[in-house]
Amino acid sequence: QKEVEQDPGPLSVPEGAIVSLNCTYSNSAFQYFMWYRQYSRKGPELLMYTYSSGNKEDGRFTAQVDKSSKYISLFIRDSQPSDSATYLCAMEETGANNLFFGTGTRLTVIP
Amino acid sequence: NAGVTQTPKFQVLKTGQSMTLQCAQDMNHEYMSWYRQDPGMGLRLIHYSVGAGITDQGEVPNGYNVSRSTTEDFPLRLLSAAPSQTSVYFCASSYSRTGTINGGYTFGSGTRLTVV
Repeated sequence: QKEVEQDPGPLSVPEGAIVSLNCTYSNSAFQYFMWYRQYSRKGPELLMYTYSSGNKEDGRFTAQVDKSSKYISLFIRDSQPSDSATYLCAMEETGANNLFFGTGTRLTVIP
Repeated sequence: NAGVTQTPKFQVLKTGQSMTLQCAQDMNHEYMSWYRQDPGMGLRLIHYSVGAGITDQGEVPNGYNVSRSTTEDFPLRLLSAAPSQTSVYFCASSYSRTGTINGGYTFGSGTRLTVV
């Protein structure tokens, strides 16, 4: 069983839609939860992160963590064509030297 | 501000050949790491370094060597290339090993390696 599971998609939505991206994980020691965005032929870039459980909002993006269910989500409101990318969740334990990444969900926002 | 620079961008190797993937960063980051990205597998850590002169193995280190003689550079060496090493390789650097401080990990644009 992988440490982190993520639906690879692809996911295609019309412009303006609300997008929900999700990951599940098995390691209860994970404390930091991140979302990276990766455009085609580029390296990932950090979008948001949260520590432990709860919600965090940044503009059109909201990250949620439910540690009791080992489930994290990223919501994108009013999606734009520029949001078309692959979204990777990542997690790590406190003091660890490794991020565990999901496989990524490829999102296309259609104008 | 170049960030993390990886060279080459593309490479084709024959089985058994060796090569070095270069990675350089200009942000004075202490932590650097190498990942490989494969379809259906996500990003997996190969080797990492917490500072000059200090390296350690990640999840999939076999077939790869690293060294860190300076803060800026972290080359990845393939000792004897195998088709299983066909992948996209990303170098990353960060302010600390925790991937959340000061903008998290900064990734290079990747090296696309094919071993035939």
